[in-house]
Amino acid sequence: ETGVTQTPRHLVMGMTNKKSLKCEQHLGHNAMYWYKQSAKKPLELMFVYSLEERVENNSVPSRFSPECPNSSHLFLHLHTLQPEDSALYLCASSQGRGRNTIYFGEGSWLTVV
Amino acid sequence: QKEVEQNSGPLSVPEGAIASLNCTYSDRGSQSFFWYRQYSGKSPELIMSIYSNGDKEDGRFTAQLNKASQYVSLLIRDSQPSDSATYLCAVNAGEYGNKLVFGAGTILRVKS
Repeated sequence: ETGVTQTPRHLVMGMTNKKSLKCEQHLGHNAMYWYKQSAKKPLELMFVYSLEERVENNSVPSRFSPECPNSSHLFLHLHTLQPEDSALYLCASSQGRGRNTIYFGEGSWLTVV
Repeated sequence: QKEVEQNSGPLSVPEGAIASLNCTYSDRGSQSFFWYRQYSGKSPELIMSIYSNGDKEDGRFTAQLNKASQYVSLLIRDSQPSDSATYLCAVNAGEYGNKLVFGAGTILRVKS
């Protein structure tokens, strides 16, 4: 248990569906992240939120829409995804910037059919 | 040039041997360096962090940092089959150092 909880753990969705991934951290951190991990590729940073403000958006397609209502919760809204978006989506959190150790949640396995 | 480079492996070592994992990075301004371990089907877990040149030891693990050469390594002494996993090197980046860039990982296999 890392203190970062993700739901659902597994999600299968069609290309026309709309779904959301949820992340909650219980560590008192003030920065939260979405990473994508595809087979045989490095972890890709998607979004960074610091104090609920988005500070990083790594050219992610608009079919992925993040939301950070407060420093403990982070969502990733998904719509009209493509099969190549199937991957493990990891939420993470850290305390501040600089020497920030990132702690990951267990991940949400997404399959787009 | 990739920001963080690792040999993908697999690196195979016998049980009880020393496993040596290496990583190079491109951003000279990076200040924080991390090693994560990831078992198949699981999320990455932090093993070590290092911020200053030299060695840092924690149990069977030693992280080594050489900023001049832009090189980070992880040594695992007395390797165990349970150490078999993918090891990810991560380096902080971004204007405020607020994101980690990961290498692709090195697969380690410890044979009993």
